[in-house]
Amino acid sequence: QSALTQPASVSGSPGQSITISCTGTSSDVGGYNYVSWYQQHPGKAPKLMIYDVSKRPSGVSNRFSGSKSGNTASLTISGLQAEDEADYYCCSYAGSSTFGVFGGGTKLTVL
Amino acid sequence: QVQLQESGPGLVKPSETLSLTCAVSGYSISSGYYWGWIRQPPGKGLEWIGSIYHSGSTYYNPSLKSRVTISVDTSKNQFSLKLSSVTAADTAVYYCARSGRGLRLDYWGQGTLVTVSS
Repeated sequence: QSALTQPASVSGSPGQSITISCTGTSSDVGGYNYVSWYQQHPGKAPKLMIYDVSKRPSGVSNRFSGSKSGNTASLTISGLQAEDEADYYCCSYAGSSTFGVFGGGTKLTVL
Repeated sequence: QVQLQESGPGLVKPSETLSLTCAVSGYSISSGYYWGWIRQPPGKGLEWIGSIYHSGSTYYNPSLKSRVTISVDTSKNQFSLKLSSVTAADTAVYYCARSGRGLRLDYWGQGTLVTVSS
């Protein structure tokens, strides 16, 4: 079971948009519409930001959006704000035997 | 408001068994959902350990399956993790979480650091 592939880091200036990619295989990301994204600030528990590829939980800003094409899912954050600086992890359902796999994480820096 | 709280020893000796419990409040485990464990070694990423359905069905990370047992106690509204034969590589912050369909982890505990050391 290999981790999903994410860029180690991305950066952007306040007000800009950034996109974080998450690449898997046809056995996980490409095989199911069950990709979720988590935001984690230092010393804190992860927070669900996107689920089922593109759905936002109640209370999450509409500046966060998700999409998927083939074996790659993406998280886009528009109108970057200082508080968006955090680590972001993707996660995909991978079937009843493997069940779940995370990406390696991406550190977002707001310049 | 659903809340989860991990508890257990913060220090475990190599080759012994790590045991953690997650107490759930604000929601009855027997009502549904999956309940899972995730860990994060210091300075590293998240790793899914396993999940249990309210009925007792379990799903484990294949790389840990031989050492992991997750159980649920609906009478106490809590679920537990046991990881046997631990080594220093099992040192991590361990989180419990509620999981909806498709591994949607919507509520998390605060996490508890477990260090494996003699």
